[in-house]
Amino acid sequence: TQLLEQSPQFLSIQEGENLTVYCNSSSVFSSLQWYRQEPGEGPVLLVTVVTGGEVKKLKRLTFQFGDARKDSSLHITAAQPGDTGLYLCAGTNAGGTSYGKLTFGQGTILTVHP
Amino acid sequence: DTGVSQNPRHKITKRGQNVTFRCDPISEHNRLYWYRQTLGQGPEFLTYFQNEAQLEKSRLLSDRFSAERPKGSFSTLEIQRTEQGDSAMYLCASSFSAPLSGNTIYFGEGSWLTVV
Repeated sequence: TQLLEQSPQFLSIQEGENLTVYCNSSSVFSSLQWYRQEPGEGPVLLVTVVTGGEVKKLKRLTFQFGDARKDSSLHITAAQPGDTGLYLCAGTNAGGTSYGKLTFGQGTILTVHP
Repeated sequence: DTGVSQNPRHKITKRGQNVTFRCDPISEHNRLYWYRQTLGQGPEFLTYFQNEAQLEKSRLLSDRFSAERPKGSFSTLEIQRTEQGDSAMYLCASSFSAPLSGNTIYFGEGSWLTVV
């Protein structure tokens, strides 16, 4: 069974601070996705990373996929109250009937205080 | 809006009753997934379809749960004889089956189930 360990589980910071969320596994994933979820809503895709070592930027968010495709990080610069939410990492496996099935981390609840 | 659509969004039911949720995926997508999420946790995989074929079922999907996708388009998830432990958000998602593209999966807004 593939597992994704996400840390920290809770993060409470002031507006303007930087933060990093980590997603680690002992297994290799063919791709990794980051989602943001608001209470009562479904997860909304932020980014998909596919290549080991890949870095993608989305405004103040920077996503990195580890060289070995076992880990990933999400860095937010100058956090704003609108960044508040549940951040989820999820990996997909290649091959076989499990292809495309997402394995989720337990999530990081981010609160950004004005 | 051409995203994944789920209904009902909220359902409150008495223990022992049956409930059914419907999912309409993004129209071009041939893969459809069901996940379950409880408060404070990440979603857990339940089952998925490629076209009308159900290709994988999680151990979480007990005999009381059944999912169908009769024409390879919309899907239904039925829970029979509901229990309080079934209370959760049921998420539907869809994607292309594209082995080399990273297989981006898009989620619906979820259907909240409360069993009282």
